[in-house]
Amino acid sequence: EDKVVQSPLSLVVHEGDTVTLNCSYEVTNFRSLLWYKQEKKAPTFLFMLTSSGIEKKSGRLSSILDKKELFSILNITATQTGDSAIYLCAVEDDAGGTSYGKLTFGQGTILTVHP
Amino acid sequence: DTGVSQDPRHKITKRGQNVTFRCDPISEHNRLYWYRQTLGQGPEFLTYFQNEAQLEKSRLLSDRFSAERPKGSFSTLEIQRTEQGDSAMYLCASSWAREETGGSLNYGYTFGSGTRLTVV
Repeated sequence: EDKVVQSPLSLVVHEGDTVTLNCSYEVTNFRSLLWYKQEKKAPTFLFMLTSSGIEKKSGRLSSILDKKELFSILNITATQTGDSAIYLCAVEDDAGGTSYGKLTFGQGTILTVHP
Repeated sequence: DTGVSQDPRHKITKRGQNVTFRCDPISEHNRLYWYRQTLGQGPEFLTYFQNEAQLEKSRLLSDRFSAERPKGSFSTLEIQRTEQGDSAMYLCASSWAREETGGSLNYGYTFGSGTRLTVV
C-alpha cells in the first residue's frame, strides 16, 4: 500500500524564520510529488516535482525531490503570518496512459507563524 | 464559473440517514476523483472515474458508499445509513490529459471547495 509520511506534524515559528518541511514516500508506481497549502478549504497547489535534484521556486517557497532516497522538502524563507496553514505532500500514482493518476496524501504539517 | 463545483457546501444529518453529494467537474475534464478528509489528516482517496467508468475504489469505500458518474459529466456520492465516523470533508477533483510545456509537466488537477458532512 502506498504511504506518504510528513514531518514534523506541527511547527510553531516567528515571523522571519525559515522552515523546512519533510515528506518521505513509499509508492509502487511513482509519477510525481506535489505540495499543497490548505487553509480550511480545498488544497491550493504549490509545486509539482517529477525529477530529482531540480529545485522549484515560487517567491519565498522552494521545493526539491530526491527519487533515490524517496523524499522531498519544502522550504519557506522569511515566514509571514499568512503562511500559517496545513502543508500537504501527495504522491501521484502512475495510472498509465496520458491521464493523471490518483493522489496519496500525507497527514500534513500544521505550520503556525506568530508575529 | 469554470472551476469544480460541489453541492452542498455543508450538510448536517442525523445518524442513520442517507445523504448525497454532487460534484460538477470542469467540463472538458475526463477524470473525476473523490477524496475524504477528516480533522487532522490529509485527504484520503475514495474512488475515481474516467468518463463514466469507475476505475478504482479504495477499501475505505464501504458498502454504504456508492458513487456514480452516469453521463461522464457530474458525479454523485451517496452515503447510506450514515454513522458519526462519516463526518468529514468530502473533496472532489477533476483532471484532463497530461500536458507538457517546454519539457515541464503541467499541473492538471482542480479541486472543488468540498462538502463538509456532520453526522449527529
